[in-house]
Amino acid sequence: QKEVEQNSGPLSVPEGAIASLNCTYSDRGSQSFFWYRQYSGKSPELIMSIYSNGDKEDGRFTAQLNKASQYVSLLIRDSQPSDSATYLCAVGGAQKLVFGQGTRLTINP
Amino acid sequence: EAGVTQFPSHSVIEKGQTVTLRCDPISGHDNLYWYRRVMGKEIKFLLHFVKESKQDESGMPNNRFLAERTGGTYSTLKVQPAELEDSGVYFCASSHFSGYEQYFGPGTRLTVT
Repeated sequence: QKEVEQNSGPLSVPEGAIASLNCTYSDRGSQSFFWYRQYSGKSPELIMSIYSNGDKEDGRFTAQLNKASQYVSLLIRDSQPSDSATYLCAVGGAQKLVFGQGTRLTINP
Repeated sequence: EAGVTQFPSHSVIEKGQTVTLRCDPISGHDNLYWYRRVMGKEIKFLLHFVKESKQDESGMPNNRFLAERTGGTYSTLKVQPAELEDSGVYFCASSHFSGYEQYFGPGTRLTVT
């Protein structure tokens, strides 16, 4: 079993709809949770961080964390073509990050 | 504020040669990390510096890899001798001393032929 699991996709969503990205993790001691966006050939860009159970909203992005279920998700509202990218879930414990394989998201105009 | 920079952006070397990758973290960031992504796999942790000290090098694949961080500023990752399986994208990231959020550089794509 991988430490951090994501559906690799591709996930295709029409423009203006809500994109929902999911991630599960195996280490119950994990303390920090991140979503990175990566465009092809570019660096991973930090878009959301969440540390406690519940929802955290930032603009069109909402991160949700459920430690009991070892589950973290990212919702993107009003999806735009520019949101098309690979989204990486990363889980942190003692500083280092453990990444999932990433979910490729395509927003269709 | 300048981001994390890495040099070179791309390196092609032959098996058995030596390559040195460089990372300049965001100014003032004490934590510096190296990660690697090989084809088709997830990004994996290699090692972590706090200032000039190695905090965690549990992800280093073998003793052909040597990382240094001179004076707690920039870092280098040397691969000697390079093997075919070392091909991949090497990312550097940095964070504040007490921060969990890591900011990534653009990566160095290493191709070993």
